[in-house]
Amino acid sequence: NAGVTQTPKFRVLKTGQSMTLLCAQDMNHEYMYWYRQDPGMGLRLIHYSVGEGTTAKGEVPDGYNVSRLKKQNFLLGLESAAPSQTSVYFCASSYPFPDNTEAFFGQGTRLTVV
Amino acid sequence: GNSVTQMEGPVTLSEEAFLTINCTYTATGYPSLFWYVQYPGEGLQLLLKATKADDKGSNKGFEATYRKETTSFHLEKGSVQVSDSAVYFCALSGVTGGGNKLTFGTGTQLKVEL
Repeated sequence: NAGVTQTPKFRVLKTGQSMTLLCAQDMNHEYMYWYRQDPGMGLRLIHYSVGEGTTAKGEVPDGYNVSRLKKQNFLLGLESAAPSQTSVYFCASSYPFPDNTEAFFGQGTRLTVV
Repeated sequence: GNSVTQMEGPVTLSEEAFLTINCTYTATGYPSLFWYVQYPGEGLQLLLKATKADDKGSNKGFEATYRKETTSFHLEKGSVQVSDSAVYFCALSGVTGGGNKLTFGTGTQLKVEL
């Protein structure tokens, strides 16, 4: 019953440091997404993937890179962290439209860049 | 592009009060509409959904009707409980350029008091 698992749950970075957020899902979903949640802004899509080996830009992709080498994993990278990237990051997965439009979310990663 | 507008919070109600959270959308074609709920410290989870006009989604006493003529999907509950305190997100799913990407509103925080 793992669903979508994000690692780590919390992290503090210094400006300019790099890190990778890992998302793993065990539901055999084709689609995976990375969102960021900021106060008053809702959730904004960073990058998404419609299948293994594919990635695409979302609404706010600048400063982030992603990779989907395995179907069950979707990695989000910050090469040079900035304070503007302080946020809560959520990973989600789903089947392709129109079979199942529901997205399943991880519990989030709270990232602070100082 | 697609967008979702929902009423700003926070909304504070007494237990057993009636709840309405307004949501309107802009989209091309025929999107699916959702309400997601986020309890403190957790990720988002699907509360209810509707996939075509005039459909009513319902779950845990919450209801919302897909109104194409008014492009709305308002969330209602007849009698709220303290345990309903959470942030509620209206969202739509539209196929644009690949992937059933979810577009979220900014979220409405609900606080229910005894």
